[in-house]
Amino acid sequence: GAGVSQSPRYKVAKRGQDVALRCDPISGHVSLFWYQQALGQGPEFLTYFQNEAQLDKSGLPSDRFFAERPEGSVSTLKIQRTQQEDSAVYLCASSKREGQETQYFGPGTRLLVL
Amino acid sequence: AQKVTQAQTEISVVEKEDVTLDCVYETRDTTYYLFWYKQPPSGELVFLIRRNSFDEQNEISGRYSWNFQKSTSSFNFTITASQVVDSAVYFCALNDYKLSFGAGTTVTVRA
Repeated sequence: GAGVSQSPRYKVAKRGQDVALRCDPISGHVSLFWYQQALGQGPEFLTYFQNEAQLDKSGLPSDRFFAERPEGSVSTLKIQRTQQEDSAVYLCASSKREGQETQYFGPGTRLLVL
Repeated sequence: AQKVTQAQTEISVVEKEDVTLDCVYETRDTTYYLFWYKQPPSGELVFLIRRNSFDEQNEISGRYSWNFQKSTSSFNFTITASQVVDSAVYFCALNDYKLSFGAGTTVTVRA
């Protein structure tokens, strides 16, 4: 079956530009997660959805970051007024149910802010 | 707070050698899950193994094996008879619904 897909795979943005990153989870997966991975580091949690409800957004680094999953499937991570420190790989993961289930990751979106 | 420590930054071995990756974790939860993921140069995180906190039985799956010791909060991972395709960054992670990752260990297997 299809895995988690993300688009675009690469994005170059000028500082101050808004970007939108898309995640298509595995079909039927209830939980969806966004992580940020800086170069040479492990992924860091950003936010968590259970169906369409955003249950945890404690990892979002600033109010410039916004995520949504309006119909409980596809999710979009939006970054407004991008800064150079936003340059990172953004990883999306989904799991079958809520709780401590195995998370399956997409290929990531590599964002470079110039 | 959850914390995962992978003390080894890089490991380099010759093909067919065994590789053991160390992972130490901290949590206040009594029930938790531990994971190992592999991140090859392509960038995608690939799930390898999952272990729950109430089952300390160590297992082998193909060339992978793991040693979970709750008393020392360690969850070590071994690749037996390494191959060049095993070259990747390996992450240990702790799950309390969201994953807390270690910094990763870069494994290079030379032919």
